[in-house]
Amino acid sequence: SAVISQKPSRDICQRGTSLTIQCQVDSQVTMMFWYRQQPGQSLTLIATANQGSEATYESGFVIDKFPISRPNLTFSTLTVSNMSPEDSSIYLCSVEDSGFYGYTFGSGTRLTVV
Amino acid sequence: GQSLEQPSEVTAVEGAIVQINCTYQTSGFYGLSWYQQHDGGAPTFLSYNALDGLEETGRFSSFLSRSDSYGYLLLQELQMKDSASYFCAVRDLSTGGFKTIFGAGTRLFVKA
Repeated sequence: SAVISQKPSRDICQRGTSLTIQCQVDSQVTMMFWYRQQPGQSLTLIATANQGSEATYESGFVIDKFPISRPNLTFSTLTVSNMSPEDSSIYLCSVEDSGFYGYTFGSGTRLTVV
Repeated sequence: GQSLEQPSEVTAVEGAIVQINCTYQTSGFYGLSWYQQHDGGAPTFLSYNALDGLEETGRFSSFLSRSDSYGYLLLQELQMKDSASYFCAVRDLSTGGFKTIFGAGTRLFVKA
């Protein structure tokens, strides 16, 4: 299965600032997915990132707040912009493994906004 | 839209068998999967069912009934290390392509 390197693993940020989260995959993948998870809660899909096209955002998430880049088939970034304490959460990237239709996740970024 | 329902928590004793149920509602169903997540960790894939029936992988089995929009995860010979959250998730084909939507999760407590 794919191996994903996600960073940073955690950060504490001031409100009004932005944080960019990076995910590097050890193999080429068509789609990468970005999720948000509040501690003890479910995973909520933010957007799907395809290489060479704009990301597809889920209801409640907009590009201005969560811009995504996908410059090649092994890398993607998610930026959390103009942060507020409500953005404090765990952010995870994932890819679908073609071998078993399951997702492999990065280790997550625990974001705290103060 | 899509929705999934699973119990919020289950408690069982070491060595026992536990079943975690999941019902789903989606328009573009392609499969049901299960994930395990320990506190502080990322979700890890356990199983995937695209067709009706039972899939067995070691101590874990997963079942799907597409006509009932229902599935379950069966954990046998429970061990303390199985204490974790378990998420069912549907693989859904929407206008934007395939995506996976997760249930709220079931917290499993295994007692000695």
